[in-house]
This record gives sequence, structure tokens and C-alpha cells, in this order.
Amino acid sequence: NAGVTQTPKFQVLKTGQSMTLQCAQDMNHEYMSWYRQDPGMGLRLIHYSVGAGITDQGEVPNGYNVSRSTTEDFPLRLLSAAPSQTSVYFCASSYRGGPNTDTQYFGPGTRLTVL
Amino acid sequence: SQQGEEDPQALSIQEGENATMNCSYKTSINNLQWYRQNSGRGLVHLILIRSNEREKHSGRLRVTLDTSKKSSSLLITASRAADTASYFCATDAETGGFKTIFGAGTRLFVKA
Repeated sequence: NAGVTQTPKFQVLKTGQSMTLQCAQDMNHEYMSWYRQDPGMGLRLIHYSVGAGITDQGEVPNGYNVSRSTTEDFPLRLLSAAPSQTSVYFCASSYRGGPNTDTQYFGPGTRLTVL
Repeated sequence: SQQGEEDPQALSIQEGENATMNCSYKTSINNLQWYRQNSGRGLVHLILIRSNEREKHSGRLRVTLDTSKKSSSLLITASRAADTASYFCATDAETGGFKTIFGAGTRLFVKA
């Protein structure tokens, strides 16, 4: 199994540009989530999904959109990039969410710089 | 705001010593997890402890949970240089949906 994969690894955007960060998992996990990590800080939850067709907001959802059309994929869209969105983005998945949350498996991250 | 807060923010010890990190959280939880992050890498799950458990072991790791104090500790015994990393606690709140919230982490440096 490849686990959780993320593309691209690095990206530089100009203010106002849009882009999609890709995340895929091959473990048939129901729960997927996106986090951002700023320097010296922990992870903050952006959006999450408990299954195909179901998404919800996390702690810092503004400026980001998600969709979950398949179990495997959970792309994160930046609508109009801003310098405040410069960060490292991690995607994670787990077998079950909520009260029986299992181990979360993380992708390697996408390092995004917005100029 | 973040649910979990780790203490200390940074810790430097000699190889062979024990390292203890603490995590405090604000609301009732279903479980608490500890993760490790090596510099520039993704997070790796270390251990999960459920709200009805008080202590759990995994190799050189020992985790305790005190729900009355809303706190947890991670003990790494006989530390090695390879343990150098950031360590994060993460909690799944009892209410508020399927959200896992991370603390800001403890940066551990183990000197050889």
C-alpha cells in the first residue's frame, strides 16, 4: 500500500491565484482530513470528511474548499491564495472517525508559499 | 483555539535519560493520542489512550491519562538520539463532531 499520498510536494503561488492540493489514500479509510502547520506550531484542522459525499469544517476553514466524491480522494482547493496561507499542509486518513477514532495516517505534506 | 497544550515547549536531555512531556486539554474527550514528527516530515502515530484508560505502554513509551485533571503525560525511557523530534498530543472531543485537535507540541532534543 502507498498509504497517504500528497501532490505536489512544493508549490509557489502568487496572491490571488487558485490551486488544488491533491490527497489520496489506498487503505479504504472512511475519515480524511486536512491540516495546516505553521512554523513552530501544531496542526490546525481545516476541513474533514467522514465518508464520500460528506464534508465538514474544522478550526480554520476560511479560504479553503473541499469535496469528497470518492473514498480514496480528498482534494483541498485554495480559492484565492493569500500570503497568510503560506504553510505546510498535511492530509491524514483513518479507518473510523468520532468516538472510535483510530490511528491517523499522515501524508508527507505540501509546502506552500504564497507571494 | 487549540484543545491541547504541551509542556514544556522544548526539552533537551542526554542520551539514556528519560524524557517526560505533558499535555493539558480543555473539554471532555473520547481519546487522546500522541504523535511524533521528525523535522520536515509528516506525523507518525505513537499511542492512543481512551478516556476509560489510565495508563498504556508501548515499548519505551508510557502514557498516562488523568481525566479529572484533563491532562496526559508521555514518558520516553532510555532516550536515544533518534528520539529527537517534536511530539504532539491530539484529542478527539466528546462533543463537536469528528474533529481531532492537536496541541502546539514539545520539541525534544536528545544529545548523543
